[in-house]
Amino acid sequence: AQSVAQPEDQVNVAEGNPLTVKCTYSVSGNPYLFWYVQYPNRGLQFLLKYITGDNLVKGSYGFEAEFNKSQTSFHLKKPSALVSDSALYFCAVRDTNSGAGSYQLTFGKGTKLSVIP
Amino acid sequence: SQTIHQWPATLVQPVGSPLSLECTVEGTSNPNLYWYRQAAGRGLQLLFYSVGIGQISSEVPQNLSASRPQDRQFILSSKKLLLSDSGFYLCAWVLIDGSNEQFFGPGTRLTVL
Repeated sequence: AQSVAQPEDQVNVAEGNPLTVKCTYSVSGNPYLFWYVQYPNRGLQFLLKYITGDNLVKGSYGFEAEFNKSQTSFHLKKPSALVSDSALYFCAVRDTNSGAGSYQLTFGKGTKLSVIP
Repeated sequence: SQTIHQWPATLVQPVGSPLSLECTVEGTSNPNLYWYRQAAGRGLQLLFYSVGIGQISSEVPQNLSASRPQDRQFILSSKKLLLSDSGFYLCAWVLIDGSNEQFFGPGTRLTVL
């Protein structure tokens, strides 16, 4: 079975400082990993994904994430936080060994990011 | 480009009333479709997914049902709503071409009173 953990319910960071939102995963096969962002009363927006290749993935709005196989982590990062980055962030995983064509994602519980002016 | 629509955007229904939420996708063919529920603005619970017309898989036993009458239409229904059905319902699709990411609709906020 696949699972995702986002250990922090909330992350507070000052505007202009670097931010990190943590994610760890568990799969039996190889992982496909994703980050999504959700603004209040809106659907989830795709930020970035890791499928294969370079461990450092760059995505939308200046975000990036690093795939670390040994630590089974996929932390989301941004060098300089903006107030507009304040939102709910979800990490998700798909185990390439499961799903039988369903392409199901398992989502973490979400981390609320607050960027303080 | 592909777009996904959900309606209604908000809905307030009394306990025991029926429900029908609709999701349609434009600009793609034969997508996988998903219904999620999000309670209290946090985690997503997968309710149903569909890999094709008339093919529905249920992930969580409940008083909800789903149908896919057309390739790009996915409907979430209930005959009698419960208070616990309140939440934010999200529809998503993925194109099985290797891109893998799911794309989400704007959501429907359901309040059961």
